Amino acid sequence: EAQVTQNPRYLITVTGKKLTVTCSQNMNHEYMSWYRQDPGLGLRQIYYSMNVEVTDKGDVPEGYKVSRKEKRNFPLILESPSPNQTSLYFCASSSGQGTNTQYFGPGTRLTVL
Amino acid sequence: AQSVTQPDIHITVSEGASLELRCNYSYGATPYLFWYVQSPGQGLQLLLKYFSGDTLVQGIKGFEAEFKRSQSSFNLRKPSVHWSDAAEYFCAVGEGSGNTGKLIFGQGTTLQVKP
Repeated sequence: EAQVTQNPRYLITVTGKKLTVTCSQNMNHEYMSWYRQDPGLGLRQIYYSMNVEVTDKGDVPEGYKVSRKEKRNFPLILESPSPNQTSLYFCASSSGQGTNTQYFGPGTRLTVL
Repeated sequence: AQSVTQPDIHITVSEGASLELRCNYSYGATPYLFWYVQSPGQGLQLLLKYFSGDTLVQGIKGFEAEFKRSQSSFNLRKPSVHWSDAAEYFCAVGEGSGNTGKLIFGQGTTLQVKP
């Protein structure tokens, strides 16, 4: 089954404790992206990757890091989480073609205390 | 800059009634337009998309949307709403270059269905 998976689905942590949210897709997609969803703001892109070892900032990259060492994986790293990073996070992937149809993971709800 | 506006934050309709969710976009070139639905506790599911051609597009679950270039709109419609349609709906526009694959989302519209 074609899918995007994220782990963990729920995470409660404390300020400053480094964490990683994993994302994996099995569709051989070149393009992957991270979004955060906040009430009244919709989804905003954090980082994206057009292929292995190619990443770039989205609209709200501050406080986040990513890496793309393998095509299927695109982890999101919070080196020193802060309460304003409490949010719902989605990973997405697409073939990178002009159609831009993106497939989303189930989401990770992160709470930073 | 590209932007998407969903004027209605919250809409309540009775089961069986018709539905229209509004979406307006700002984009210089021909946009790629999408509607996604997010059920409580779930990820985003693609309802339909418009790239070119026929301006009336059909999607899953009985939804359709009409692209109106003159009004910069891409409103979502359904003739008869079911209780299971209660969810949050997002309109999005994709960057035309396709190189970044970035989607710009509206703020979302929460649909409540009354029995």
